[in-house]
Amino acid sequence: DAGITQSPRHKVTETGTPVTLRCHQTENHRYMYWYRQDPGHGLRLIHYSYGVKDTDKGEVSDGYSVSRSKTEDFLLTLESATSSQTSVYFCAISEWSGRRTDTQYFGPGTRLTVL
Amino acid sequence: TQLLEQSPQFLSIQEGENLTVYCNSSSVFSSLQWYRQEPGEGPVLLVTVVTGGEVKKLKRLTFQFGDARKDSSLHITAAQPGDTGLYLCAGEGDTDKLIFGTGTRLQVFP
Repeated sequence: DAGITQSPRHKVTETGTPVTLRCHQTENHRYMYWYRQDPGHGLRLIHYSYGVKDTDKGEVSDGYSVSRSKTEDFLLTLESATSSQTSVYFCAISEWSGRRTDTQYFGPGTRLTVL
Repeated sequence: TQLLEQSPQFLSIQEGENLTVYCNSSSVFSSLQWYRQEPGEGPVLLVTVVTGGEVKKLKRLTFQFGDARKDSSLHITAAQPGDTGLYLCAGEGDTDKLIFGTGTRLQVFP
């Protein structure tokens, strides 16, 4: 199994509070991704990183920011959480991107509830 | 916007039955992957297909990529309770990022 951990695994917070989720990898993979998973929507890309301090937006980036100061860590921040951000958040890593046979390895997920 | 629609959304069958899950789009994808996700875990890659018409087999699972690379199917023969899970297709989109399908939740009863 790819070495990917997410913390916390579960979090309940209140509307308007800041929340930071952490993804940590031990594989030294270049690419890291944050997805959210909601019923009927599959997985949707929030932000991704293609190197230290190199990040870009995905399809549902509004209300989220990310940072990557080290290869192994990718942080997702909800500056002011809203109920619509209640979801399960998955981090993924891949060695490369743009290759047709590239594999993404997923972490175990963080279940976030915003009351 | 590239979308991948999966059908059926839910599938509940008895052990030993066969089933097919479909992944359809109006867009062309350069490759398509299938993942399986078990409760409380992240998705795990099952297969990648890259050529139109390609068929790949993984034990009792058969994956096919449509000739026009707009659709794919997953066929399971003689389903077992261990096949239970959420099946997701994902295509490599125009921006080289994966676009995930809406998912098919399969329940196989013993």
